[in-house]
Amino acid sequence: DSGVTQTPKHLITATGQRVTLRCSPRSGDLSVYWYQQSLDQGLQFLIQYYNGEERAKGNILERFSAQQFPDLHSELNLSSLELGDSALYFCASSNRGRRELFFGEGSRLTVL
Amino acid sequence: AQRVTQPEKLLSVFKGAPVELKCNYSYSGSPELFWYVQYSRQRLQLLLRHISRESIKGFTADLNKGETSFHLKKPFAQEEDSAMYYCALSESQAGTALIFGKGTTLSVSS
Repeated sequence: DSGVTQTPKHLITATGQRVTLRCSPRSGDLSVYWYQQSLDQGLQFLIQYYNGEERAKGNILERFSAQQFPDLHSELNLSSLELGDSALYFCASSNRGRRELFFGEGSRLTVL
Repeated sequence: AQRVTQPEKLLSVFKGAPVELKCNYSYSGSPELFWYVQYSRQRLQLLLRHISRESIKGFTADLNKGETSFHLKKPFAQEEDSAMYYCALSESQAGTALIFGKGTTLSVSS
């Protein structure tokens, strides 16, 4: 499957902890986007990377950070976790010049 | 700032009935509008985009710049249309992130 892959699929952790979510974009896609999906807020754009450089920032908290590596995979780091951070985190990728985003299956984070 | 509003959280219709999922946006430039769909246990995927002016699975959407709307319509709903639908907006520059509405769950029953 050459689609967007995300790991882990599910993650349960405690408040105050730190986790890392990983995303591999579709083959050839240079842009990676991170979104947070919660019941009351819908899909919130967090951050975008293009070929290793940060391109745009959305509603990303200071406790969260991300990076895109030379092989184009990306990681989203969430630290000092709070109960409210429990959500589904999606990664998406796109090809240069196209606006269609291809989404992964998401990583479901539960903070207890 | 750009914003996408989907006023209905849930829309329930009977099979064969017409469907209209509402989407309004605010953006000062010339945006590109999309509808994405998420079926049960599947990943979010593109349904249609306004510049294509096409009909996908019987759905159409027309961009009305005067009313800043991009409503999704289907004349006869099918049970397999039951899903979560998101309206999304992209700024005029290619490669920019999509801004999504909060989504509308469409439930089609027989």
